[in-house]
Amino acid sequence: GQQVMQIPQYQHVQEGEDFTTYCNSSTTLSNIQWYKQRPGGHPVFLIQLVKSGEVKKQKRLTFQFGEAKKNSSLHITATQTTDVGTYFCAIRTGANNLFFGTGTRLTVIP
Amino acid sequence: ETGVTQTPRHLVMGMTNKKSLKCEQHLGHNAMYWYKQSAKKPLELMFVYSLEERVENNSVPSRFSPECPNSSHLFLHLHTLQPEDSALYLCASSQGDTGDIDTGELFFGEGSRLTVL
Repeated sequence: GQQVMQIPQYQHVQEGEDFTTYCNSSTTLSNIQWYKQRPGGHPVFLIQLVKSGEVKKQKRLTFQFGEAKKNSSLHITATQTTDVGTYFCAIRTGANNLFFGTGTRLTVIP
Repeated sequence: ETGVTQTPRHLVMGMTNKKSLKCEQHLGHNAMYWYKQSAKKPLELMFVYSLEERVENNSVPSRFSPECPNSSHLFLHLHTLQPEDSALYLCASSQGDTGDIDTGELFFGEGSRLTVL
């Protein structure tokens, strides 16, 4: 089935440093979504990217969709302790299926 | 509050027990999902229902039996589970597909933490 590779699996950063997580697919994607799951919480939708080369920003978060629509990234500028959690990309296959990447667990050291 | 409510939040059961997980969504969505989240396989899609019909079953063992009586409710019936089935079971809903239009975001419940002894 459809698979998406997400790297890195873990990332520890000092507060104020930047952070980036990447998702890569072997096939062209129609769109890609990003979610954040706080420790002990549930995944919460962040954004959906649809267009080739699309870049969207949410405050300190920047989301990119590759030109070939096979990869995507999430970049956080100047991390804060509130950014702690696991970030998942998710791809849709078929009408209603949403498959999640393995996630990147971010730890921010104060 | 996400509009998706799961009960119970915690469940401990023996391998011979029969129990059910319940999910209810108040968002008027047409699609509902069950995901399993464990340390080994984060967010593993189990079942998808669209307009109360099951549209996806990702090779889930028959000891897990879903039920969707209407578009607002989703159950996961559990019987003769194994210790490796211990995990967080997350329910989610989305607007649902209409023809070829991609659906939007998933709204997750808080999850049911299952421990099988």
